[in-house]
Amino acid sequence: GENVEQHPSTLSVQEGDSAVIKCTYSDSASNYFPWYKQELGKRPQLIIDIRSNVGEKKDQRIAVTLNKTAKHFSLHITETQPEDSAVYFCAANNFGNEKLTFGTGTRLTIIP
Amino acid sequence: DVKVTQSSRYLVKRTGEKVFLECVQDMDHENMFWYRQDPGLGLRLIYFSYDVKMKEKGDIPEGYSVSREKKERFSLILESASTNQTSMYLCASSLAGGLEETQYFGPGTRLLVL
Repeated sequence: GENVEQHPSTLSVQEGDSAVIKCTYSDSASNYFPWYKQELGKRPQLIIDIRSNVGEKKDQRIAVTLNKTAKHFSLHITETQPEDSAVYFCAANNFGNEKLTFGTGTRLTIIP
Repeated sequence: DVKVTQSSRYLVKRTGEKVFLECVQDMDHENMFWYRQDPGLGLRLIYFSYDVKMKEKGDIPEGYSVSREKKERFSLILESASTNQTSMYLCASSLAGGLEETQYFGPGTRLLVL
């Protein structure tokens, strides 16, 4: 089955700086890579996703890049704000079914 | 707007008790999932259902069972609760067919087994 590794486990950045979270996956057949954000005490919610037919996708201050050859993908947050503080999870789908395998999460703290 | 609800936000049970966690979604989604969330371990899939009465084991099914008698409802059952099942349990749902794979999560149930 799919295996997803996520780094770092914790990340602190100054407000206004950029944050990058990286994930690697094992199954070259995976073709869908979502990112979820979980604020303290709340449910995980999808913030951005990318499919394997594109290399980059942007949505305002958030971008995701995908390197299929190296089997890794990254979340980039620019001009960070206090409300970006949360736990972020990457995931990859499992070819042949509709399950997702999640990374272990990154706790992002924005320092005012 | 997708709504996924879980029957309880907090539960306290004793070792050996049978525990039922219920999840309901109102968007006619075919797929439903149960995860447990533990610090440093992320979201781990317990069971998955892709249709009524259909179920598939996830990565950590031991000690759990599930029931899906109606499309909108997916229940997680702990047959005999143990302290190592103290955790946050999250339910999720998604459309089938692979075109819209977003999983929508419920608010979670924090279970404490004493």
